[in-house]
Amino acid sequence: KAGVTQTPRYLIKTRGQQVTLSCSPISGHRSVSWYQQTPGQGLQFLFEYFSETQRNKGNFPGRFSGRQFSNSRSEMNVSTLELGDSALYLCASSLALGGRDTQYFGPGTRLTVL
Amino acid sequence: AQSVTQLDSQVPVFEEAPVELRCNYSSSVSVYLFWYVQYPNQGLQLLLKYLSGSTLVKGINGFEAEFNKSQTSFHLRKPSVHISDTAEYFCAVSDPGTGNQFYFGTGTSLTVIP
Repeated sequence: KAGVTQTPRYLIKTRGQQVTLSCSPISGHRSVSWYQQTPGQGLQFLFEYFSETQRNKGNFPGRFSGRQFSNSRSEMNVSTLELGDSALYLCASSLALGGRDTQYFGPGTRLTVL
Repeated sequence: AQSVTQLDSQVPVFEEAPVELRCNYSSSVSVYLFWYVQYPNQGLQLLLKYLSGSTLVKGINGFEAEFNKSQTSFHLRKPSVHISDTAEYFCAVSDPGTGNQFYFGTGTSLTVIP
């Protein structure tokens, strides 16, 4: 089975721009979660989607949004980019909604905001 | 909300020596516990998880962890490390009380010295 794929792997943007990141989960997985990873804060939960609905949301401003499509693929969008948004964005998929199920992580998208 | 504390940010250890990476979480209510490993430029990979039952959990690559409810700890151990174990290790908690949201520690960088 193919693993979780994320595109693009690297992005460079400037302040004020917006960006869209994409995540394709493992086939059959219906839950997709997004995390922001930075050296200072570690991994912080952004949101979780299941069956095209946002089920959980972390403590991030409204500039961070996401969606999930009927094939379980997910996108996250960050508007009005700030320097502090530079991070590795990780996507993880699991069979069911959070909790007991193992989350399988993609390699991440490295976003640099200049 | 849960908080996860990994007490050591960096752990150097000689090859073939034992190692323990410490993890404590904040709440004593029933939670699910996980250890993940992250190699450079890769996503996270599950090492092991505790859902219920035996407090000693065995994972991949010779790692094991012990759940201690009274001390709210889930320390990771390996009796003999290899160079290939050099990586970042993350402890995570999933709390059913908060919709099974995952909370990660800030990570422990394990360096195995030849």
